[in-house]
Amino acid sequence: GQQVMQIPQYQHVQEGEDFTTYCNSSTTLSNIQWYKQRPGGHPVFLIQLVKSGEVKKQKRLTFQFGEAKKNSSLHITATQTTDVGTYFCAAHSGTYKYIFGTGTRLKVLA
Amino acid sequence: DTGVSQDPRHKITKRGQNVTFRCDPISEHNRLYWYRQTLGQGPEFLTYFQNEAQLEKSRLLSDRFSAERPKGSFSTLEIQRTEQGDSAMYLCASSYRRFVPGASNNEQFFGPGTRLTVL
Repeated sequence: GQQVMQIPQYQHVQEGEDFTTYCNSSTTLSNIQWYKQRPGGHPVFLIQLVKSGEVKKQKRLTFQFGEAKKNSSLHITATQTTDVGTYFCAAHSGTYKYIFGTGTRLKVLA
Repeated sequence: DTGVSQDPRHKITKRGQNVTFRCDPISEHNRLYWYRQTLGQGPEFLTYFQNEAQLEKSRLLSDRFSAERPKGSFSTLEIQRTEQGDSAMYLCASSYRRFVPGASNNEQFFGPGTRLTVL
């Protein structure tokens, strides 16, 4: 079955440093979503990528969808303490379901 | 109310008992998902409804799990004969499928979840 891997599993950064998480699928995707989950909270939608090679920006966050539509990345520039949480990708490959990645837990040290 | 609500927020039950959870999606949303999340893991897909039709169910889901969305509004998830391995957070999410060319945004809005503990 389809597998979605995320790396790294954990990342500790100093405030102001950059952060990147990578998402890799074993199959070609129709689209991919990114979510953020704060400790004790529920996942909150960040963005959806649909097109091959697509790049989208939201302030300090940059999202990329690979040319082969099998991988994606989320990059945060100059992290802040408010960026703390777990970042999940959610892969959609043509059926109705979304397969969530294993998540990258980000800790920002002030 | 502008968000997805779930009830109850917490449920403690003994092994072997049946439990039922309710999800009220955002009112105009026609898509509804159920997920299960354990500590340190991502949400695991359980089932999907479009309006009242259950269009997909995880193959990992045993026959003890059943879900309904009778009028295409709220949904219930029932677990029969609970086991300790069923202990998890059960999340509901809803989204709206826009039939607009080029505007494919399936943003899922998650509820706060129901935390199930099976003793």
